[in-house]
Amino acid sequence: NAGVTQTPKFQVLKTGQSMTLQCAQDMNHNSMYWYRQDPGMGLRLIYYSASEGTTDKGEVPNGYNVSRLNKREFSLRLESAAPSQTSVYFCASSDPLRGRDTQYFGPGTRLTVL
Amino acid sequence: RKEVEQDPGPFNVPEGATVAFNCTYSNSASQSFFWYRQDCRKEPKLLMSVYSSGNEDGRFTAQLNRASQYISLLIRDSKLSDSATYLCVALYGGSQGNLIFGKGTKLSVKP
Repeated sequence: NAGVTQTPKFQVLKTGQSMTLQCAQDMNHNSMYWYRQDPGMGLRLIYYSASEGTTDKGEVPNGYNVSRLNKREFSLRLESAAPSQTSVYFCASSDPLRGRDTQYFGPGTRLTVL
Repeated sequence: RKEVEQDPGPFNVPEGATVAFNCTYSNSASQSFFWYRQDCRKEPKLLMSVYSSGNEDGRFTAQLNRASQYISLLIRDSKLSDSATYLCVALYGGSQGNLIFGKGTKLSVKP
């Protein structure tokens, strides 16, 4: 039982490049989330998926797209990376029996955009 | 924007000390609150939930004061391994709502 996994762990991009961050969970959770964490800021929700086949915008969705590929996987795509997207990205999933309160996080992806 | 405010610290305390963190939230409609722990360069992990009557888990005690809209976390007999950043979190929008994270309070426990 790996919990929530994310790939890659580190990435450096040039401005304008695109990439997809991958996330998978093996806990049979319905809900999945993408957050970013910047120095001096709390975690901020980018997008979430309450269940397979649905996605919704969070607090800071601009510049990102998501795909809930199946119940296990939820990917985050940067179509044209900008330096302002330099951040640590965390994926999370939640236990459907408890609603969204208990969120389990992946180890994070550290992204630098030059 | 709904806010959760915390003292960023750092709190530097000796082993064995008792330390308390407070957190305030802006939306009185929030129903659920949590403390998460985040180690350096690691992901956040749930430490404990905070319910209306307060709750205790070993050396950790969480309290909720709805009238004043603040949440507290008390750590007794601090250990070196308690060194981390503690995130105060509020759930808005009922059980299917979203979490709002505070910026965290950094704790450093010294020998």
